[in-house]
Amino acid sequence: GENVGLHLPTLSVQEGDNSIINCAYSNSASDYFIWYKQESGKGPQFIIDIRSNMDKRQGQRVTVLLNKTVKHLSLQIAATQPGDSAVYFCAERLTGGGNKLTFGTGTQLKVEL
Amino acid sequence: DAGITQSPRHKVTETGTPVTLRCHQTENHRYMYWYRQDPGHGLRLIHYSYGVKDTDKGEVSDGYSVSRSKTEDFLLTLESATSSQTSVYFCAISEGQELFYGYTFGSGTRLTVV
Repeated sequence: GENVGLHLPTLSVQEGDNSIINCAYSNSASDYFIWYKQESGKGPQFIIDIRSNMDKRQGQRVTVLLNKTVKHLSLQIAATQPGDSAVYFCAERLTGGGNKLTFGTGTQLKVEL
Repeated sequence: DAGITQSPRHKVTETGTPVTLRCHQTENHRYMYWYRQDPGHGLRLIHYSYGVKDTDKGEVSDGYSVSRSKTEDFLLTLESATSSQTSVYFCAISEGQELFYGYTFGSGTRLTVV
């Protein structure tokens, strides 16, 4: 698949551990945030989203935390599995900016057995 | 991804030739987008559409044009391909403002300009 991770920060975790991937977003007027997972050779896939009126949202094995004070978003993956190895992107939608998402550059998650 | 397909999946073309990439959706979503993905830059918006015949530029639109004559199809054209347009291109779709739950992406087109 394509190499989209040439200059990506990398997070290495042991299988079974929890992973935390961080993202700093740029605009305090953003009203919607989302995390995507991208495996090699594939398009990004939705993981979890959160709106600006929330601080925390949980899904299956994943939690997103939003800190609007410092414009920080994090993705927590519980009991990380080999299948979680991928590049993870955060994205934000600017209020009043249509439905356009602005993406971060991504973090490569490597799960070690 | 179900409901959105891109074609071709891979293409090699020569500098100066025109190239058209196609995105087709079966979800009847109003919004469609073209992004390019390059190492170190992440996903950058080229053009987007908010309805049939309604399109607008993104942050990296120079050298690209788009057309949307039907809800289901969004075409991206490189009028005269250059080596700097070698990239992976992703199409995405979404619902409108109040129903927005992010994008659904296609599987991508890898374009190489030689």
